[in-house]
Amino acid sequence: KNEVEQSPQNLTAQEGEFITINCSYSVGISALHWLQQHPGGGIVSLFMLSSGKKKHGRLIATINIQEKHSSLHITASHPRDSAVYICAVRNNDMRFGAGTRLTVKP
Amino acid sequence: DAGVIQSPRHEVTEMGQEVTLRCKPISGHDYLFWYRQTMMRGLELLIYFNNNVPIDDSGMPEDRFSAKMPNASFSTLKIQPSEPRDSAVYFCASSFGTDTQYFGPGTRLTVL
Repeated sequence: KNEVEQSPQNLTAQEGEFITINCSYSVGISALHWLQQHPGGGIVSLFMLSSGKKKHGRLIATINIQEKHSSLHITASHPRDSAVYICAVRNNDMRFGAGTRLTVKP
Repeated sequence: DAGVIQSPRHEVTEMGQEVTLRCKPISGHDYLFWYRQTMMRGLELLIYFNNNVPIDDSGMPEDRFSAKMPNASFSTLKIQPSEPRDSAVYFCASSFGTDTQYFGPGTRLTVL
């Protein structure tokens, strides 16, 4: 079993839909990261969380430390949100989920 | 700041050759990470440095891989000798403490 599990693996949505991507982990962590990787390959860090909730524009990330679970939400999704979203947990090192490929259709 | 800078952006080499990848972290950042990404294994942490000192190299695949950070503004990842299975995108990232990591554009390595 992977230490960081993401679901779903693939997600297709219509423009405007509310998106949720989930991440569960089984190790102790100091922080959890949500990364976005565009088709061109570049990686951007969206959020770093150690507790609670963060919001940036249409993106919201939450974490429940007791349940070892985090969610990334996208409100009013847009085709430019199409990317792979990767959950990563950090303690002394970094462990990555396999990623969720999101496609938003116009 | 220009962000994390990596060079070269693309490298094609033949099996057995030495490959050196370079990274310039964001000025002021005290952590530097080297990652590898393949279709089969996704993103993997290879090694990371804190204040130029290697902290954890348990992700380095084997002795053919080595990484150095001679000063706060430069790091190298060397593969000698290279093999086709080393073909991947290699990312460098830096952070200040445990804050957000900033990724470089990556180096796409192809070993023929």
